[in-house]
Amino acid sequence: DTAVSQTPKYLVTQMGNDKSIKCEQNLGHDTMYWYKQDSKKFLKIMFSYNNKELIINETVPNRFSPKSPDKAHLNLHINSLELGDSAVYFCASSQEVPGGPYEQYFGPGTRLTVT
Amino acid sequence: EDQVTQSPEALRLQEGESSSLNCSYTVSGLRGLFWYRQDPGKGPEFLFTLYSAGEEKEKERLKATLTKKESFLHITAPKPEDSATYLCAVTSNTGKLIFGQGTTLQVKP
Repeated sequence: DTAVSQTPKYLVTQMGNDKSIKCEQNLGHDTMYWYKQDSKKFLKIMFSYNNKELIINETVPNRFSPKSPDKAHLNLHINSLELGDSAVYFCASSQEVPGGPYEQYFGPGTRLTVT
Repeated sequence: EDQVTQSPEALRLQEGESSSLNCSYTVSGLRGLFWYRQDPGKGPEFLFTLYSAGEEKEKERLKATLTKKESFLHITAPKPEDSATYLCAVTSNTGKLIFGQGTTLQVKP
């Protein structure tokens, strides 16, 4: 099936640990994103990559580091996890169209719980 | 600063009771307004894109409209399976997608 997939679905870890979330899209899109959804379900963009190049980097602690090995993958690595990092993280992708805008397609989310 | 506000936060309807969800926005140079549906434990699912004031789009029981300041998502004769959180988002010249906080719709049989 064509889709945006993320692993793992759930991630429970202790404060101070380092963890990664993986994202893959097989839609042939050239732009990928990471979003954070807090407990009030408010979705906020963290990063955006276009053809492996970082184009949007919101005010996110530098403990968060995205990595794009190719345009179909965008992984999120988080160092020294804190309680406030607990949230649902969504990966998304889109295809930039001349004149835009372009709808984004979202993955199923990764629920991160830091204890 | 680009901003999106949705109302109401929650809406309860009886099956068949039509209603509308509101999305008010302030954005510098609107490039598009998007509606998404999100079911519990899942990612947002794309519904519509609206590009300019006066535009309307329909899909089954849903109809989205756009003015220069707001968008409405009209739900006609809703069914229990329409229960979900509906998210509105805008994109401007910055290229970022700015989301509202969502409206959680519950349709009772």
